Amino acid sequence: DADVTQTPRNRITKTGKRIMLECSQTKGHDRMYWYRQDPGLGLRLIYYSFDVKDINKGEISDGYSVSRQAQAKFSLSLESAIPNQTALYFCATSELDRGDTGELFFGEGSRLTVL
Amino acid sequence: QKEVEQNSGPLSVPEGAIASLNCTYSDRGSQSFFWYRQYSGKSPELIMFIYSNGDKEDGRFTAQLNKASQYVSLLIRDSQPSDSATYLCAVEGYGGSQGNLIFGKGTKLSVKP
Repeated sequence: DADVTQTPRNRITKTGKRIMLECSQTKGHDRMYWYRQDPGLGLRLIYYSFDVKDINKGEISDGYSVSRQAQAKFSLSLESAIPNQTALYFCATSELDRGDTGELFFGEGSRLTVL
Repeated sequence: QKEVEQNSGPLSVPEGAIASLNCTYSDRGSQSFFWYRQYSGKSPELIMFIYSNGDKEDGRFTAQLNKASQYVSLLIRDSQPSDSATYLCAVEGYGGSQGNLIFGKGTKLSVKP
């Protein structure tokens, strides 16, 4: 089983619908992230959380919200989806304690299409 | 705005050649640097990380860091068709952004048999 699991893997929805992307991890990491990837634009940070009580906006948080339900779970919501939110979304985890590299461990991605 | 710049490519090299991928970054305080490989439609996977000035070698891969020039590179020796992918440079933010990785847009590498 994957250490970082995203659901759903693919979703097609309509403009104005509420969408939730879920992420769970078995790595025991405190830090979790949501990124979106668009062709030619690389990975852009939406929200991040360094522990259960810590939520921070990233570079492109407008139109998104998140919930850190537990150390292992971090959900991303689109309250009213719009077509320019069509993208590949990645959840990632990391740990920055002594001995850790700080690298990100990614889920397999959730492809969202908003019509 | 902290930035990480990469040549988007595509970079095309023949099989067996050395592929050289370059990255510059704007945040002079950054301390940690990463190279990820991403195959089309897949998630990024870590290839190399480097913290200190100089070279770091791992198999066919060598990462080079020059903090004074704010420049990090990845060399792939004896390139193989399986190395064809997009390579993402990532830099850890400094200060308030510490712990966050800022990604470049990626360089697409094509290795021709």
